[in-house]
Amino acid sequence: NAGVMQNPRHLVRRRGQEARLRCSPMKGHSHVYWYRQLPEEGLKFMVYLQKENIIDESGMPKERFSAEFPKEGPSILRIQQVVRGDSAAYFCASSPFRDIPNIQYFGAGTRLSVL
Amino acid sequence: AQKITQTQPGMFVQEKEAVTLDCTYDTSDQSYGLFWYKQPSSGEMIFLIYQGSYDEQNATEGRYSLNFQKARKSANLVISASQLGDSAMYFCAMREGPKGAGGGADGLTFGKGTHLIIQP
Repeated sequence: NAGVMQNPRHLVRRRGQEARLRCSPMKGHSHVYWYRQLPEEGLKFMVYLQKENIIDESGMPKERFSAEFPKEGPSILRIQQVVRGDSAAYFCASSPFRDIPNIQYFGAGTRLSVL
Repeated sequence: AQKITQTQPGMFVQEKEAVTLDCTYDTSDQSYGLFWYKQPSSGEMIFLIYQGSYDEQNATEGRYSLNFQKARKSANLVISASQLGDSAMYFCAMREGPKGAGGGADGLTFGKGTHLIIQP
């Protein structure tokens, strides 16, 4: 039973390029969450998606960031025109239900470095 | 105001001793969930234990237990018989809700973490 799969594990981009981070949830999970972890910090919620729908994007920066979870395929977190401040670890989590307990299982993360 | 407070940035503990990692939380919701995650140096986030606000018993999972004191709004993690492999960052998190009542949140709110080092 595969866990949450994220790729790539490490991503290097130059300022101004685009970053695409992929997440495949655990089998049977239809709820996907993206978080960002800055150095020496806890995780900060960005967005919650179900298939083909963004449900809660209250933690997403207003510009350059977007997320999708298509009917087929992984969820994608897209960062356009990256800047140095986007350097962070980005984690995806999935859960089988929306309501409490809503235990979220995390992937290993994608470490984005912006040069 | 911080919703999750972890007051111990770092802790050194002798192997085989018990460890208590502190976590206090702030919410006005009646229904909420509390979580602990472990992040080893390899970076992944590993779910350890969950406590619901209406659960009367403290949660336990193997060597992990959660000392839940609702009136004090604390949810401390206790690790019994610590092992070298327990060395990691530990994060306390909260999910407020339920969503169905029109409130709550979908994302977890995390504390800043405690860096636990187990010494031989």
